Amino acid sequence: ELKVEQNPLFLSMQEGKNYTIYCNYSTTSDRLYWYRQDPGKSLESLFVLLSNGAVKQEGRLMASLDTKARLSTLHITAAVHDLSATYFCAVDVPNTGNQFYFGTGTSLTVIP
Amino acid sequence: EAGVTQFPSHSVIEKGQTVTLRCDPISGHDNLYWYRRVMGKEIKFLLHFVKESKQDESGMPNNRFLAERTGGTYSTLKVQPAELEDSGVYFCASSQGVYYEQYFGPGTRLTVT
Repeated sequence: ELKVEQNPLFLSMQEGKNYTIYCNYSTTSDRLYWYRQDPGKSLESLFVLLSNGAVKQEGRLMASLDTKARLSTLHITAAVHDLSATYFCAVDVPNTGNQFYFGTGTSLTVIP
Repeated sequence: EAGVTQFPSHSVIEKGQTVTLRCDPISGHDNLYWYRRVMGKEIKFLLHFVKESKQDESGMPNNRFLAERTGGTYSTLKVQPAELEDSGVYFCASSQGVYYEQYFGPGTRLTVT
């Protein structure tokens, strides 16, 4: 069974600091998604990474994909309180029925 | 454009009772998915509809779960009879096509006591 490992599970960081969330997966795929979820809200799409070496940035968040290492990172630069949320990565593997395989999520708390 | 909506947002039922969850996908999205997150674990796939047909139901845990999508619009997921281990958050998602980005609803939190 495909495994998607996300770490850390919990992250508490101070405003202004940088940190990286990691997403490792166990099979070949070049389609990876990052989502953000605020309590009680929908999973909000952050990034769609569709090829090896893809890098996308939006504000203080930057996501990258290394399909050879089966690794995606979500880098947070100069964190602010508004980034507090749970972040999920999800892998889409062709020929497995179009289901997304999710990591366990990273609960991020940014402390003033 | 309205997003994916789910109803109810919360449901608390007793073991042995029946619950029906509803999902309204984004208008025009033929593909509809159900996922579940149990006890803080990863979000897991349950099944996938293309229009009114079940394309993949490999993630359905057992025959107490019944999903329907009559007319290819909204979908329902019925749990009958509910067991304690069914507690969790049930997410619905929709997409324009296979291997397209999936858009998620806010989820239904189900608590079975």
